[in-house]
Amino acid sequence: DVKVTQSSRYLVKRTGEKVFLECVQDMDHENMFWYRQDPGLGLRLIYFSYDVKMKEKGDIPEGYSVSREKKERFSLILESASTNQTSMYLCASSLLGTDTQYFGPGTRLTVL
Amino acid sequence: AQSVAQPEDQVNVAEGNPLTVKCTYSVSGNPYLFWYVQYPNRGLQFLLKYITGDNLVKGSYGFEAEFNKSQTSFHLKKPSALVSDSALYFCAVREGGYQKVTFGTGTKLQVIP
Repeated sequence: DVKVTQSSRYLVKRTGEKVFLECVQDMDHENMFWYRQDPGLGLRLIYFSYDVKMKEKGDIPEGYSVSREKKERFSLILESASTNQTSMYLCASSLLGTDTQYFGPGTRLTVL
Repeated sequence: AQSVAQPEDQVNVAEGNPLTVKCTYSVSGNPYLFWYVQYPNRGLQFLLKYITGDNLVKGSYGFEAEFNKSQTSFHLKKPSALVSDSALYFCAVREGGYQKVTFGTGTKLQVIP
C-alpha cells in the first residue's frame, strides 16, 4: 500500500512566522502535489513537482514556496504566515504516467 | 482552461435507495475524469476514473460513474446507498496533455438510516 505521511495533523502558528509542512511518500512516486482544502472551495492546487528539484506553480502559489531535494519528500513553505492561510493542507503523490493520486491525512494549520 | 462543477453542496438519500452525485466538466480537449471520496477525519481516497473506452466506469465500494460527452457530465452513482457511504465526494478533471488536475468544490453525501 502506498503511504503518504504528513509531519503534523494539527499546527498552530502566529502571523509572520515561517512555517514548514513536510510530506513523505514511500512508493517511489515521481509526482507530488500540495493542495489546500477550504469549505465551499474544494481542493486548490498550490504547487506540484514531477521530479527532484523540479516544481510547477499550481492555481494559488502566492505566499507559498516548495522544496524537493529528495524524491520521497516534498515540503511546503509559508515564508510569512498570514491568517488567510489558515486551512487544511493536503499532500498527494502519483506515479509518472498515471493519474491516481494518493493523499496524506492532511495538516490543519491555524494562523493566529 | 479546465474546470469542473459540482452543483450540489449536499445530497441526502435514504439507505437502500439509489444515489447520484452530479458533476459537469469543461475542457478544450479530451477529458480525464476522476472521483475521490473523503471520509470524516481521513484523507482523500481514489474511487474511479475515466480515461477512454466504455462510458460506464466501475470503481471501489460498488460505485460507478457514467461519462456523457454530449452533456459534459460524469455523475457518480450507486444502486443502493449505505450509511457508511456518508462522506464528502470530489469530482476532478485533467485535460489531455496537461499535468494539473482540477478538483470540484465537493458534495457532502448524507445517507439516512
